[in-house]
Amino acid sequence: VELQQWGAGLLKPSETLSLTCAVYDGSLGDYYWSWIRQPPGKGLEWIGEIKHSGSPNYKSSLKGRVSISADTSKNQFSLKLSSVTAADTAVYYCARGFPYYYDNSGSPFAYFDYWGQGSQVTVSS
Amino acid sequence: DIQLTQSPSFLSASVGDRVTITCRASQDISSYLAWYQQQPGKAPRYLIFAASTLQSGVPSRFSGSGSGTEFTLTISSLQPEDFATYYCQQLNAYPRTFGQGTKVEIK
Repeated sequence: VELQQWGAGLLKPSETLSLTCAVYDGSLGDYYWSWIRQPPGKGLEWIGEIKHSGSPNYKSSLKGRVSISADTSKNQFSLKLSSVTAADTAVYYCARGFPYYYDNSGSPFAYFDYWGQGSQVTVSS
Repeated sequence: DIQLTQSPSFLSASVGDRVTITCRASQDISSYLAWYQQQPGKAPRYLIFAASTLQSGVPSRFSGSGSGTEFTLTISSLQPEDFATYYCQQLNAYPRTFGQGTKVEIK
């Protein structure tokens, strides 16, 4: 399995960030496809996820600005983040969540076993 | 949100040293924890899931333990390629959260 991602790397404040991640040698299948970002010199922040057959899950602080979608015909999933500011400057990663367990409500317990190469996104006027 | 606190944040060690990193969760997450290693300029790679299950291909000098709110990642004999930043991540709840990272540097 290989994840390759791409998208615009330099944005102005208020523009919309758009990234796409293609999945090679595997299908979207029953996995949870996430976007994770890492501001310069800082740790990892989960943005949200989508499963091809379900509704996306987003980090609440980003709700209203974030949208994650999947295109099963192309084996790709995408991230859009609107109204960006300098605080959104980060390396953005796509990643596959592998669900090794489900609880009684069907909620997955998934770790990130494959990652994209990362995309540097800089927001600057 | 479940907060994960790693200690130490920075660790200086020599090749051959035994190294232990701790991850504390703000609430009980049973054994639903993973560990990742990140080399500079690279994407993280997962080492351990379910607190103690080693990914295939990860050297046996890495081990994980713990449950509930306290977890450890141990490297029994540090090798040059192990100098990196390590993150824990809880798998238990949304939003998925990570510890702030522990950077292991060469003494």
